[in-house]
Amino acid sequence: DTEVTQTPKHLVMGMTNKKSLKCEQHMGHRAMYWYKQKAKKPPELMFVYSYEKLSINESVPSRFSPECPNSSLLNLHLHALQPEDSALYLCASSSPGSNYGYTFGSGTRLTVV
Amino acid sequence: AQSVTQLDSQVPVFEEAPVELRCNYSSSVSVYLFWYVQYPNQGLQLLLKYLSGSTLVKGINGFEAEFNKSQTSFHLRKPSVHISDTAEYFCAVHWMNRDDKIIFGKGTRLHILP
Repeated sequence: DTEVTQTPKHLVMGMTNKKSLKCEQHMGHRAMYWYKQKAKKPPELMFVYSYEKLSINESVPSRFSPECPNSSLLNLHLHALQPEDSALYLCASSSPGSNYGYTFGSGTRLTVV
Repeated sequence: AQSVTQLDSQVPVFEEAPVELRCNYSSSVSVYLFWYVQYPNQGLQLLLKYLSGSTLVKGINGFEAEFNKSQTSFHLRKPSVHISDTAEYFCAVHWMNRDDKIIFGKGTRLHILP
């Protein structure tokens, strides 16, 4: 299995809702990432987990809350989002300290209304 | 500061013509270099990477890239493009003195003309 699977593929939520994005990989990668990508822009790093511990938080607002319950799963919990948070959220994984690049999922297209 | 520059935001090219997408990076240390492709409404897919060794790297879908250390460049080329190559292409760099993260360029939109 050489894929990163993200669910759901599309999500529409209100500003008072609580929702979660999920990411799963079975490649034995021990580093996992959340990126946010706005239209016509490059991906922007949000969080990095290395060996299930949060190693990088790029000053992301607290309405985004990551969680890594085990080495294969990465969640992003969403609460009280704003319309400007609408974007494509990408998950990626890699082997820590390796030079093999990242494997990306197909993303979750989030719309906040 | 470490940065990745993709000089062209959009490149139009006729089908079956060659194409070069440019990428330059700032460097004070050794780097790993990557090109990713993003098709409409999809995630990113690794096209190719340079780690060490031969400066000419071959990737998937007929793409190749050449690492030029003196010019700090890693330009992507394809000798003959197809309509299916329409996508956004991102150059990415991993500086070896940094945390376990890579930095993306702003992307180049490849637009294939019939």
